Amino acid sequence: KNQVEQSPQSLIILEGKNCTLQCNYTVSPFSNLRWYKQDTGRGPVSLTIMTFSENTKSNGRYTATLDADTKQSSLHITASQLSDSASYICVVSYYGNNRLAFGKGNQVVVIP
Amino acid sequence: NAGVTQTPKFQVLKTGQSMTLQCAQDMNHNSMYWYRQDPGMGLRLIYYSASEGTTDKGEVPNGYNVSRLNKREFSLRLESAAPSQTSVYFCASSDRGSNQPQHFGDGTRLSIL
Repeated sequence: KNQVEQSPQSLIILEGKNCTLQCNYTVSPFSNLRWYKQDTGRGPVSLTIMTFSENTKSNGRYTATLDADTKQSSLHITASQLSDSASYICVVSYYGNNRLAFGKGNQVVVIP
Repeated sequence: NAGVTQTPKFQVLKTGQSMTLQCAQDMNHNSMYWYRQDPGMGLRLIYYSASEGTTDKGEVPNGYNVSRLNKREFSLRLESAAPSQTSVYFCASSDRGSNQPQHFGDGTRLSIL
């Protein structure tokens, strides 16, 4: 069973609108949670990294939240742009060995 | 700003052939990784190298070997390619520390016929 589950699997949004992506995890012990953006045909690029003590972190129009008690995270995209069309991957790091558990990604398509 | 460079970008092999995927990073990172990405699945770790001279198996190491040639370079070898190894292969590197991001190359798209 995958230890990192993302929803929705895919979504289409209008340019200028906001959207929120969800990530639930069961990884334990927990070290940190990361969000990556992967454009088609490219490698993933880091957006945010949050540790246990952090509950929100922003990178431009991207804002990630973390609730370590419920083991949930979200990535909010504000005022979406066509360039936001990509897969967004939630990644959770194990404490102690730096191994990573990858979600399957949320595929976002922004249309004009 | 090259970051992580992977070669080749595309490759088609016949079953049983061998090849080496190359990866180099120019960020002076200690740790390097090889992943594969298949449709409908998350990235899976094949091998990693925590520092020059060390390598360790990841989640799916069977059918692969690696060499950490120096601090910059980390290669992945398929000795006898199989159709199940058709995938997109990503190399990544990171600095020391549990909260350091991994920096990925743009991948090698490998098809085994």
